[in-house]
Amino acid sequence: DSGVTQTPKHLITATGQRVTLRCSPRSGDLSVYWYQQSLDQGLQFLIQYYNGEERAKGNILERFSAQQFPDLHSELNLSSLELGDSALYFCASSVGTGGVYEQYFGPGTRLTVT
Amino acid sequence: QKEVEQDPGPLSVPEGAIVSLNCTYSNSAFQYFMWYRQYSRKGPELLMYTYSSGNKEDGRFTAQVDKSSKYISLFIRDSQPSDSATYLCAMSGLYAGGTSYGKLTFGQGTILTVHP
Repeated sequence: DSGVTQTPKHLITATGQRVTLRCSPRSGDLSVYWYQQSLDQGLQFLIQYYNGEERAKGNILERFSAQQFPDLHSELNLSSLELGDSALYFCASSVGTGGVYEQYFGPGTRLTVT
Repeated sequence: QKEVEQDPGPLSVPEGAIVSLNCTYSNSAFQYFMWYRQYSRKGPELLMYTYSSGNKEDGRFTAQVDKSSKYISLFIRDSQPSDSATYLCAMSGLYAGGTSYGKLTFGQGTILTVHP
């Protein structure tokens, strides 16, 4: 158990809908990262927050947004969902920001868009 | 061309074998190199972490980084059926000016099966 929690574990929704994925980092970790894992693209970095501020952005679609709250939990919002958004979404956390800090991954949320 | 290339396998070995897993990369800015293990339907688990070139050993696992060749390896000695998983290499680097960033770039993962 990495200490990172994610809810829900599974989510099934229809195209065009909006969902929110939630992540609680390890105790003491200030950085939260979101990744998307699909069979064809592998594990792709989406976005990073550090202590409430956006720190780095990857190939995150405009339909997706995220935020980190004062208690350091983070939410990833996915809107106008398409079939291609079906994937595993992972949250990771680290104590600091930057590559020198080890990232620990949560169990993931499996999103199925029908 | 992807920044990080990893042979997806699958790789099947008998118990007790030495396993070699490899990644190549093209981005010279990468300074931090990691290996993650991912069991089916689970989150990636950090195995090894190396900064710049060199070797690092942890139990049955040895990580090697050769920055001149842009090549990293993970060796597993005395492999066990419990080592059966997908192994992902990951890398991160530096912005101009020396500030590191936390975005990890992953390889596609190698599926390993160790059979008794």
